[in-house]
Amino acid sequence: AQSVTQPDIHITVSEGASLELRCNYSYGATPYLFWYVQSPGQGLQLLLKYFSGDTLVQGIKGFEAEFKRSQSSFNLRKPSVHWSDAAEYFCAVEGGGADGLTFGKGTHLIIQP
Amino acid sequence: KAGVTQTPRYLIKTRGQQVTLSCSPISGHRSVSWYQQTPGQGLQFLFEYFSETQRNKGNFPGRFSGRQFSNSRSEMNVSTLELGDSALYLCASSFQGEGTEAFFGQGTRLTVV
Repeated sequence: AQSVTQPDIHITVSEGASLELRCNYSYGATPYLFWYVQSPGQGLQLLLKYFSGDTLVQGIKGFEAEFKRSQSSFNLRKPSVHWSDAAEYFCAVEGGGADGLTFGKGTHLIIQP
Repeated sequence: KAGVTQTPRYLIKTRGQQVTLSCSPISGHRSVSWYQQTPGQGLQFLFEYFSETQRNKGNFPGRFSGRQFSNSRSEMNVSTLELGDSALYLCASSFQGEGTEAFFGQGTRLTVV
């Protein structure tokens, strides 16, 4: 079965600093990969997705992610964070047609002024 | 265009009761998936409906069921509620399921007392 690991439960970053959130997945083939963001009490908003092709994908709100097959990783990056980026971030994988989206446990992002 | 709409937003039920949650997908989307989110287990896939048929099912007991109507609206039902069913239930719609972007509603917060 596929799985997703987000090794960082909490990350604190100063406003204006760069950000990288880690995501590793376990899957037999190349999966579909996603990053979602969730604000308190809200649903999930899709930041970006990787289906195939260029391994560096651009998303909304200035986020990007890079798919590295050799490392089974799909890390999310942003060059300069804003206070409004404080939220919970989820990496997800999909593939094989059986299990829907499989999510990581999430990374809680805290922005310091 | 309108997003995914879930009703109600909040619900309080007593143990042993049953509950029905509703999800209206984005117009034109034929796939509706349901997820349960809890602090302990994170986001877990319940089931997916496509063109009124359950296409995939997660690892949940038979107390959790769903259906989809001809207009793609979906309902999920939980019978004989347990305290552990307290969670945020999220609905996601996509054009055709796997390999297409899933858009989430804001969720229904179910509290079982």
